[in-house]
Amino acid sequence: DADVTQTPRNRITKTGKRIMLECSQTKGHDRMYWYRQDPGLGLRLIYYSFDVKDINKGEISDGYSVSRQAQAKFSLSLESAIPNQTALYFCATSTPGGSYNEQFFGPGTRLTVL
Amino acid sequence: SQQGEEDPQALSIQEGENATMNCSYKTSINNLQWYRQNSGRGLVHLILIRSNEREKHSGRLRVTLDTSKKSSSLLITASRAADTASYFCATRKWDGLTFGKGTHLIIQP
Repeated sequence: DADVTQTPRNRITKTGKRIMLECSQTKGHDRMYWYRQDPGLGLRLIYYSFDVKDINKGEISDGYSVSRQAQAKFSLSLESAIPNQTALYFCATSTPGGSYNEQFFGPGTRLTVL
Repeated sequence: SQQGEEDPQALSIQEGENATMNCSYKTSINNLQWYRQNSGRGLVHLILIRSNEREKHSGRLRVTLDTSKKSSSLLITASRAADTASYFCATRKWDGLTFGKGTHLIIQP
């Protein structure tokens, strides 16, 4: 979905390096999410944010941090990358709506940690 | 842990046939969603069915939900080559979504 963009699209880095993945959206949604996808494991939630001042840990937040710089921007950082963080990372957005939260996904960032 | 589990893991059919994939989940839900992912790309929302609904249609898609069995099915009728993708069911967890491992559907021309 072109309304949710992620940069970079591909990144190869070395163990111990700090990496930042960025997500921007033009949908005007308050809620933003970061997921990782590993082969055979589906998607897992890393962090989510319901507005600029709200940050929440998801299922697998260890080794990651996030920053919600503005309503439209949500960044994911790996402070010291390790090989098992090699995965496909997706950003998503949704509108508030109680439990009815259809999500809109970005194109993904493929991260390889050597 | 995965909340939803899709079955089968992979499915290959001829173009024009119907494709059915199933999803089982573990805890009570408010809604269940189905997404499609083309190879290496982001997920696209297909359809949402609420816990008080039993069946829902959208174009060539038909979704059923059986809350007593904690299961859902996605039927794609008259399949096309462009339907080749992975399909995921998702339910709400952590105020985000939790996804199954997906069914990889291949439509043979």
